[in-house]
Amino acid sequence: AQLVQSGAEVKKPGASVKVSCKASGYAFTGYHMHWVRQAPGQGLEWMGCFYPSSGDTIYAQNFQGRATLTRDMSINTAYMELSGLKFDDTAVYYCARDSQWLVRGSAFDLWGQGTVVTVSS
Amino acid sequence: QSALTQPASVSGSPGQSITISCTGTSSDVGGYNSVSWFQQHPGKVPKLIIYEVSNRPSGVSSRFSGSKSGNTASLTISGLQAEDEADYYCSSYTSRSTIFGGGTKLTVL
Repeated sequence: AQLVQSGAEVKKPGASVKVSCKASGYAFTGYHMHWVRQAPGQGLEWMGCFYPSSGDTIYAQNFQGRATLTRDMSINTAYMELSGLKFDDTAVYYCARDSQWLVRGSAFDLWGQGTVVTVSS
Repeated sequence: QSALTQPASVSGSPGQSITISCTGTSSDVGGYNSVSWFQQHPGKVPKLIIYEVSNRPSGVSSRFSGSKSGNTASLTISGLQAEDEADYYCSSYTSRSTIFGGGTKLTVL
């Protein structure tokens, strides 16, 4: 099983970025997919998650209205779009699979390699 | 929701044991047995080392153990090794989110 994310992005303030996360080697629709970011030198920050089978999503308060999580089940790919980018959105963005079948938890057992998003004017 | 509280740093000598605490509230750590721990080496992807408070994924050393009392979870690493030097993060399920601790830098002296 693996998650492969799209490449690094450089964006201007106010723009949007869309990161993809292609899953393989497991049943994509059976596990919640989480998105986590890590600013340079900082800790992990949970952004939200969605359940591929139903499309149900949960967003962290900090990202409500600015982040959009979607998926394309035909190609086992999850997407995270973040709009209204600010300088402090510069971070590594990870997709991470929940370890539990069908159930949302706090254990992420499979991670993408990370996508560096740089917000710069 | 606020991040879980972890000490910024801990240290220990090879062979010793250390414990990292993770303090939350009854709405997160204290309310559910869904606390996890991650290890992250510099420039690397986080790795799950403990789930559901005290369970180890396959392949994780038995030197890592987890526990919980009330609103505080703990990660204990016994027989410290140089390779254990890394950042450690706890996480907890809540009814509407997942939250992380601020992270703890472990230095092996």
